[in-house]
Amino acid sequence: AQKITQTQPGMFVQEKEAVTLDCTYDTSDQSYGLFWYKQPSSGEMIFLIYQGSYDEQNATEGRYSLNFQKARKSANLVISASQLGDSAMYFCAMRDEINSGYALNFGKGTSLLVTP
Amino acid sequence: SQTIHQWPATLVQPVGSPLSLECTVEGTSNPNLYWYRQAAGRGLQLLFYSVGIGQISSEVPQNLSASRPQDRQFILSSKKLLLSDSGFYLCAWSVLISGEQFFGPGTRLTVL
Repeated sequence: AQKITQTQPGMFVQEKEAVTLDCTYDTSDQSYGLFWYKQPSSGEMIFLIYQGSYDEQNATEGRYSLNFQKARKSANLVISASQLGDSAMYFCAMRDEINSGYALNFGKGTSLLVTP
Repeated sequence: SQTIHQWPATLVQPVGSPLSLECTVEGTSNPNLYWYRQAAGRGLQLLFYSVGIGQISSEVPQNLSASRPQDRQFILSSKKLLLSDSGFYLCAWSVLISGEQFFGPGTRLTVL
């Protein structure tokens, strides 16, 4: 069975600073995918970044990068140059194979507050 | 481009009343569709998923049900709501190659 762990319930960062949100996972699958989503106060879940287990390079999308350490089973999200609009809940998720497709198993999330 | 719609955006219902939440997707064919529930301050719990018309799989036994009458329409229902059904309901569709899912705006349900 898969398990996603986000140990930081809340984080603070000052505007323009970088911040790392932790995510560790446990799986017996050889092939897997890891995702990060942002959930602002409006509630919608916004896809940020994806990392495949066989990808040799760390994924990057604009100010978001994923620090993937396979041996340590960690997939931390790094947000560079934080902005006030980055204040939100952040969820780490892992792809779980189901009949004819995939579902996502989510961690409990980290609340990020960016301060001026 | 693909878009996903959910309605209503908010709903307040008495205990024991029926429920119908609707989700529609535009701009894609034969998507995998999902219903998740998020309790206050919690992560997302997968409720149902569908790989095609009329094909529904349930992840959590409860008083909710789902149906997929058309390729891009997914409906979440209940005959009698419980207090514990309160939460934020999110519909999503997925890309099969990598598995990332794209979510609708959600429905906030309060059962009183």
